[in-house]
Amino acid sequence: DTAVSQTPKYLVTQMGNDKSIKCEQNLGHDTMYWYKQDSKKFLKIMFSYNNKELIINETVPNRFSPKSPDKAHLNLHINSLELGDSAVYFCASSPRTGGDTQYFGPGTRLTVL
Amino acid sequence: GENVEQHPSTLSVQEGDSAVIKCTYSDSASNYFPWYKQELGKRPQLIIDIRSNVGEKKDQRIAVTLNKTAKHFSLHITETQPEDSAVYFCAAKRNNFNKFYFGSGTKLNVKP
Repeated sequence: DTAVSQTPKYLVTQMGNDKSIKCEQNLGHDTMYWYKQDSKKFLKIMFSYNNKELIINETVPNRFSPKSPDKAHLNLHINSLELGDSAVYFCASSPRTGGDTQYFGPGTRLTVL
Repeated sequence: GENVEQHPSTLSVQEGDSAVIKCTYSDSASNYFPWYKQELGKRPQLIIDIRSNVGEKKDQRIAVTLNKTAKHFSLHITETQPEDSAVYFCAAKRNNFNKFYFGSGTKLNVKP
């Protein structure tokens, strides 16, 4: 099942480093999301893009910068990583903006040491 | 904004018993309510959903009920099996809005 894919699956890094997570969907969907799932399993939306345009930007530190080169890709760059950034990051996509069905990627487990 | 509360946080049942997970929401404009199942180390996957013009929906052993007046919806799993063990999330969304509001999750353990 590679409809929504993410790389890498695991990311272990030191505090202060900069890292990127990549997401690609081959479903032809217009809308993509980034979610953060913390250690208590709570799923929180971070960003949403529709056809390369940012439409949701939750209260996320500006160390997190999403980039959408085209509607099939949504990458997440994180600067100056902190211990509290350790979490699982899920990418997701929906057929259209405001659409109901979401498909999640496999997740990227980020561990900051 | 919307606030979705989910109960219980953990639920343990014997194989073959039924399990019920409840969610309440605050925004009366929400009209789409999906349920996701997340197995350990895996991605959340949609298992069933309901829209506000329907009171109940069933798919084999799982069903969802919606009470718009009381602003709550529930997931019902009958004849539970060990493979039903997972974390279940409810969510709510307004039509044509992009933001999904998730509940805090219920860890279901089905004991063989």
